[in-house]
Amino acid sequence: GENVEQHPSTLSVQEGDSAVIKCTYSDSASNYFPWYKQELGKGPQLIIDIRSNVGEKKDQRIAVTLNKTAKHFSLHITETQPEDSAVYFCAANGGYSTLTFGKGTMLLVSP
Amino acid sequence: GAGVSQTPSNKVTEKGKYVELRCDPISGHTALYWYRQSLGQGPEFLIYFQGTGAADDSGLPNDRFFAVRPEGSVSTLKIQRTERGDSAVYLCASSPEGTPHGYTFGSGTRLTVV
Repeated sequence: GENVEQHPSTLSVQEGDSAVIKCTYSDSASNYFPWYKQELGKGPQLIIDIRSNVGEKKDQRIAVTLNKTAKHFSLHITETQPEDSAVYFCAANGGYSTLTFGKGTMLLVSP
Repeated sequence: GAGVSQTPSNKVTEKGKYVELRCDPISGHTALYWYRQSLGQGPEFLIYFQGTGAADDSGLPNDRFFAVRPEGSVSTLKIQRTERGDSAVYLCASSPEGTPHGYTFGSGTRLTVV
């Protein structure tokens, strides 16, 4: 089955800096790569996703890049704000309807 | 409803007891998923329903775990003879079709087995 590795496990940045979270996946059949933000006591919320026929996608301060050859995908957040502080998860679908998640990255943005 | 609703939000039970966790998906969503999230980990897949039937139950850890969705909307996850290792947050998600696109998660049920 699919295996997703996520790094770093924690990331501290100053407000206004950029943050990058990286993931690798193992199953070449994966064709859908979402990113979720989870705040304390809440369920994961989809913030951006990318499909395998696209190399990059951007939505305001958030962007995701995908390298299918290397089986890498990354989340980029620019101009970070304190409200960006949360746990972020990457995931891959292994070609199916279900998702395999990484272990998460706790992002702390200091004012 | 406007979102995925899960009840109860918290459940404390004694080891060996039976528990039921409920998920009310977004109206019209045909696909429903259960995931389990242990502390400090990402969600792990348990079971996926397309309509009333379980399309994939490969993530259920053992036969103490069972889930139903009799009318294709509300789903119940049932855990028999609970063990302390079952303690986790149980998340439910729904999507309009049987694809992983557009998952909406509920806030989860935090199960604690004492």
